[in-house]
Amino acid sequence: ETGVTQSPTHLIKTRGQQVTLRCSSQSGHNTVSWYQQALGQGPQFIFQYYREEENGRGNFPPRFSGLQFPNYSSELNVNALELDDSALYLCASSLGRADYGYTFGSGTRLTVV
Amino acid sequence: TQLLEQSPQFLSIQEGENLTVYCNSSSVFSSLQWYRQEPGEGPVLLVTVVTGGEVKKLKRLTFQFGDARKDSSLHITAAQPGDTGLYLCAGAPTRGKLIFGQGTELSVKP
Repeated sequence: ETGVTQSPTHLIKTRGQQVTLRCSSQSGHNTVSWYQQALGQGPQFIFQYYREEENGRGNFPPRFSGLQFPNYSSELNVNALELDDSALYLCASSLGRADYGYTFGSGTRLTVV
Repeated sequence: TQLLEQSPQFLSIQEGENLTVYCNSSSVFSSLQWYRQEPGEGPVLLVTVVTGGEVKKLKRLTFQFGDARKDSSLHITAAQPGDTGLYLCAGAPTRGKLIFGQGTELSVKP
């Protein structure tokens, strides 16, 4: 059973650029959630995808967008990067409800300069 | 907005000591989960508690869910340096997505 894989592991971008982060969910999981985690803080919910549809969104602007593909893998896109977007971006997969617990990837460390 | 407050935020103890981390909210959750995160890695699920008053043990770690399903605690007995990490509680609202507390940074010194 493979876990959650995220790519790339590290990324440096310039303010104003666009970035795409990728996530392969754990085998058998049909739900993908994306979180942003600042250093020393808890993860903040960005959005969730279930069966290729957005299934809930946190308090993030529209320049944060995503996709889920038929194989349940997912992308997080961020446009017009700002310095405050620098964070660890975590992808988590699950089988439906949050009650069952999430399996997280190791994250993508994004630095915006 | 549902919030989870963790305390303490930072904890530095000697090997062999006991400690308790608290996770509180004014909201009811259908379940509460505890995760442990090491630097450069994603959070790893330790336990899920579902029933009010439930107690679960995982070796030296004891997890409790409050009777009203609004709070939880994590107790570690005889802490070891390998327990060092960021401990996160996360709540699953009745309708909604998993939300996290701000975390407790634990450092256990040999």
